[in-house]
Amino acid sequence: DAKTTQPNSMESNEEEPVHLPCNHSTISGTDYIHWYRQLPSQGPEYVIHGLTSNVNNRMASLAIAEDRKSSTLILHRATLRDAAVYYCIPHNQAGTALIFGKGTTLSVSS
Amino acid sequence: DAGVIQSPRHEVTEMGQEVTLRCKPISGHDYLFWYRQTMMRGLELLIYFNNNVPIDDSGMPEDRFSAKMPNASFSTLKIQPSEPRDSAVYFCASRLRQGLRHGYTFGSGTRLTVV
Repeated sequence: DAKTTQPNSMESNEEEPVHLPCNHSTISGTDYIHWYRQLPSQGPEYVIHGLTSNVNNRMASLAIAEDRKSSTLILHRATLRDAAVYYCIPHNQAGTALIFGKGTTLSVSS
Repeated sequence: DAGVIQSPRHEVTEMGQEVTLRCKPISGHDYLFWYRQTMMRGLELLIYFNNNVPIDDSGMPEDRFSAKMPNASFSTLKIQPSEPRDSAVYFCASRLRQGLRHGYTFGSGTRLTVV
């Protein structure tokens, strides 16, 4: 499994953009980059994933470096509900399982 | 869709007792996963199934833990005998093999306390 490095914690103010970085320098060519988040007292929740191109959905945007060794999850306007632990996970979709690291704990202040 | 359903939500048991955790995956999903979460070790993969067949159980801590998936709509994780160090939140998740447009879907978890 590819090793990931994420900051332990980040802080943001409500309605400001948040950029959550992730380094995954040992990612393989077939690994997608997945992001999940876990709100307090809940199970992990899918956020977004991509392979090479930047991706957008209703929750967030994912910017992937050209060499794929890093990526950034972008929350365009943070809300209090976005306070969670965010996990970046390189994942080969060919029948394997998500392996979680420690993630980044995002705090959002009003 | 009701999502992945786990039961019970909370379980308190005495050391040495048998504990059974239950999971109903999303209909049509052909992969099912069991994870355990503690403060010390984070989220750990225990075992996963594809089409009801166990694929990788290398994360199962020891022989006291067993998991079954008798059909596509039900799975159990059993601990016998339970020990205080098994106290954790246990999550079940499911997904489709083909395309991860919506990713994995996790249940709300079972909080197990062994006293």
